[in-house]
Amino acid sequence: SQTIHQWPATLVQPVGSPLSLECTVEGTSNPNLYWYRQAAGRGLQLLFYSVGIGQISSEVPQNLSASRPQDRQFILSSKKLLLSDSGFYLCAWSIAGANTGELFFGEGSRLTVL
Amino acid sequence: SQQGEEDPQALSIQEGENATMNCSYKTSINNLQWYRQNSGRGLVHLILIRSNEREKHSGRLRVTLDTSKKSSSLLITASRAADTASYFCATDGNQFYFGTGTSLTVIP
Repeated sequence: SQTIHQWPATLVQPVGSPLSLECTVEGTSNPNLYWYRQAAGRGLQLLFYSVGIGQISSEVPQNLSASRPQDRQFILSSKKLLLSDSGFYLCAWSIAGANTGELFFGEGSRLTVL
Repeated sequence: SQQGEEDPQALSIQEGENATMNCSYKTSINNLQWYRQNSGRGLVHLILIRSNEREKHSGRLRVTLDTSKKSSSLLITASRAADTASYFCATDGNQFYFGTGTSLTVIP
């Protein structure tokens, strides 16, 4: 069966510090991968998605970047965090090319920038 | 950009009552999905309805889709306290766009 792991679960970082959130998927190959951000009490904002190794699409200009160094690994990074980067970050995957369209989410990483 | 918009933003009902939440979207879709999120957790897929379907059932869930109005509704029948969560609609594409969610509270 497929599983998705996301870490760290919580993170408190000072403004200007770097960030690295990691997400890995097991039990499937060539998944589509996604990073979402959810501000407190708000909906989900799609940040990045990837359909393959090294292929990253960005939805909104921001202080963040994403990389996919391996088929089932998706990393969200920042060189210098801003206060506005605080939020709940969710990684998700879906089956590439499938018509089911279901997204499978990780448990999220809560980032607080102070 | 967000595609879906749910309403109401918040809903509070008594256990045993039915809960209805609505979703409106902007562009053409192949399918629409509903997800549930418990507080501080990831989202869990509930049900998918394709653009050529008008209604779909899964247990206590009933979803309708009106592509002419670009809207969908999720009905939870005989609600339980455990149904307390936020509910989101999502529209498809290579990327998935979510609405802002409806926060449902079921009072025991």
